[in-house]
Amino acid sequence: GAVVSQHPSWVICKSGTSVKIECRSLDFQATTMFWYRQFPKQSLMLMATSNEGSKATYEQGVEKDKFLINHASLTLSTLTVTSAHPEDSSFYICSARGESAGNGYTFGSGTRLTVV
Amino acid sequence: GESVGLHLPTLSVQEGDNSIINCAYSNSASDYFIWYKQESGKGPQFIIDIRSNMDKRQGQRVTVLLNKTVKHLSLQIAATQPGDSAVYFCAESFSGTYKYIFGTGTRLKVLA
Repeated sequence: GAVVSQHPSWVICKSGTSVKIECRSLDFQATTMFWYRQFPKQSLMLMATSNEGSKATYEQGVEKDKFLINHASLTLSTLTVTSAHPEDSSFYICSARGESAGNGYTFGSGTRLTVV
Repeated sequence: GESVGLHLPTLSVQEGDNSIINCAYSNSASDYFIWYKQESGKGPQFIIDIRSNMDKRQGQRVTVLLNKTVKHLSLQIAATQPGDSAVYFCAESFSGTYKYIFGTGTRLKVLA
């Protein structure tokens, strides 16, 4: 079945530094990838939609310059949290959609970001 | 925006009993719905989906019911097992957008 690999699974960084999270579709080409953010005991909040070869579409209230998304190939999208602050600490999850994987979405295992 | 301090509603069920998890969706134009299961520290896992031209769909031990009149979705789990303990989310989508909007989630606790 369709597999999405997300890396790293957890990361701790200092305030002011940037962190890059990778989302890879391992056995299918992902035409579209999505990035979600999840706070403890809360639902997933869609941050942005990433289409291969074009700019990401951000949801209202999500800072484009804060959360940089690059979808350079059909198997890789990256989310970079720039100048991270403690309030950026969260669980970040990607999902990918590909024609060869049916019309469903497959989620990565998530990345726990802690900014200290 | 983000809400702080929310607690997920919890459903406690005895092992072997049936579970019913409910979800109210927001957009009457939504035409595709999915139930996901999320275990602690992991990404969501697909359980079952349903399109708006159906009102019921069955999978292995799970059934999804859709009531478009009241914008309500439910997930029924038969013979609930300890491995079913997780948080369950419904998600809605409408044609052409490929975006999912997730509901608030329900924590299912299976009691031995």
